[in-house]
Amino acid sequence: QVQLVQSGAEVKKPGASVKVSCKVSGYTLTELSMHWVRQAPGKGLEWMGGFDPEDGETIYAQKFQGRVTMTEDTSTDTAYMELSSLRSEDTAVYYCATENPHDPVGAFDIWGQGTMVTVSS
Amino acid sequence: SYELTQPPSVSVSPGQTARITCSGDALPKKYAYWYQQKSGQAPVLVIYEDSKRPSGIPERFSGSSSGTMATLTISGAQVEDEADYYCYSTDSSGNHSWVFGGGTKLTVL
Repeated sequence: QVQLVQSGAEVKKPGASVKVSCKVSGYTLTELSMHWVRQAPGKGLEWMGGFDPEDGETIYAQKFQGRVTMTEDTSTDTAYMELSSLRSEDTAVYYCATENPHDPVGAFDIWGQGTMVTVSS
Repeated sequence: SYELTQPPSVSVSPGQTARITCSGDALPKKYAYWYQQKSGQAPVLVIYEDSKRPSGIPERFSGSSSGTMATLTISGAQVEDEADYYCYSTDSSGNHSWVFGGGTKLTVL
């Protein structure tokens, strides 16, 4: 059973960067395609990007290109999402999410618990 | 950029059928997926590949897709089905970019 455990809440000042981690257990990170989704308070879900196994590359949503970097440390089975040049509109819960490799359904059916990032001066 | 459009809200009485729509230009070629999100919780996948139910999802949840519209149907909606529902899909441009619909608040009362 895949489990995703994310790092704790963060408070950042405008202009700073934040790096959120997502620790995988039950499988190795190389067996998964990790994606990141965020949700601002009272707003909808927003796909930020993720690993595309067809291309073997990480794909970023156009809105975040140039500001987001998604990386993986396979030695610790931990995925990271770093967002730079933070502004108040980036205040949101950030989720890592993936597909169960044992029973693939073509979309995320396993989610981390979410990490609250607050951007405030 | 590609968009999926959902109604902001749908309201039904318990036991009635709730239908939530999602429109997108690429839906004739791409699968739709549906997530349920209750307050303060992570989303849960309730329908994948237009009409398939993951294990553990009640049979009252079903999905369909025709043309540029996908529909999530909850037959005999229950009070515990009250939640936000999001459709999710990808565009057909080949850039493998994904998008969520704006979400629909389902009220069952």
